[in-house]
Amino acid sequence: KQEVTQIPAALSVPEGENLVLNCSFTDSAIYNLQWFRQDPGKGLTSLLLIQSSQREQTSGRLNASLDKSSGRSTLYIAASQPGDSATYLCAGAGNTPLVFGKGTRLSVIA
Amino acid sequence: DAMVIQNPRYQVTQFGKPVTLSCSQTLNHNVMYWYQQKSSQAPKLLFHYYDKDFNNEADTPDNFQSRRPNTSFCFLDIRSPGLGDAAMYLCATSKEQGGTYEQYFGPGTRLTVT
Repeated sequence: KQEVTQIPAALSVPEGENLVLNCSFTDSAIYNLQWFRQDPGKGLTSLLLIQSSQREQTSGRLNASLDKSSGRSTLYIAASQPGDSATYLCAGAGNTPLVFGKGTRLSVIA
Repeated sequence: DAMVIQNPRYQVTQFGKPVTLSCSQTLNHNVMYWYQQKSSQAPKLLFHYYDKDFNNEADTPDNFQSRRPNTSFCFLDIRSPGLGDAAMYLCATSKEQGGTYEQYFGPGTRLTVT
């Protein structure tokens, strides 16, 4: 059964800093890995989807990588801004629908 | 804009009083999902529909049921809500493309049980 772990659980950084969020999964037979953003009390917004055949995806200041062999994915956020403050969740999909990590709560301090 | 819509956004119900949450989508996706998310926890899949085929997660309580009358709509019925069912309920949709199912989420319904 797929298990997804995100470290750290919470992170606080000053504005402008580059940062990396980590996601690990136990079953390397995933079809794709998806990163989401969740603001307090809101739904999930899809940020990036990496298919199993891909190694990374980029969108603006965000870059997500996938290493199936090691069971890891990272989300890199460049030049962080206070508006990036949110919880970031990763989720892997294999033979079963998405399995989520608990997320990393990010605070960017102005 | 194509989207996933959930109604209501906030629902208050009494202990044991049946409640229905609704989800609609304009994406024409064939797969729809219901998740339960409690505070500071990961979303937990309750069930999903692949077209008309219903797939129930093994640990989803019998108290939770779902209906999908057509492609666009999906309902979550909680027959006898308990205090432990207070949570955010998230609806999502996806469409298979080359073996990949990218999921799109609605804004969620916050359920309070009094």
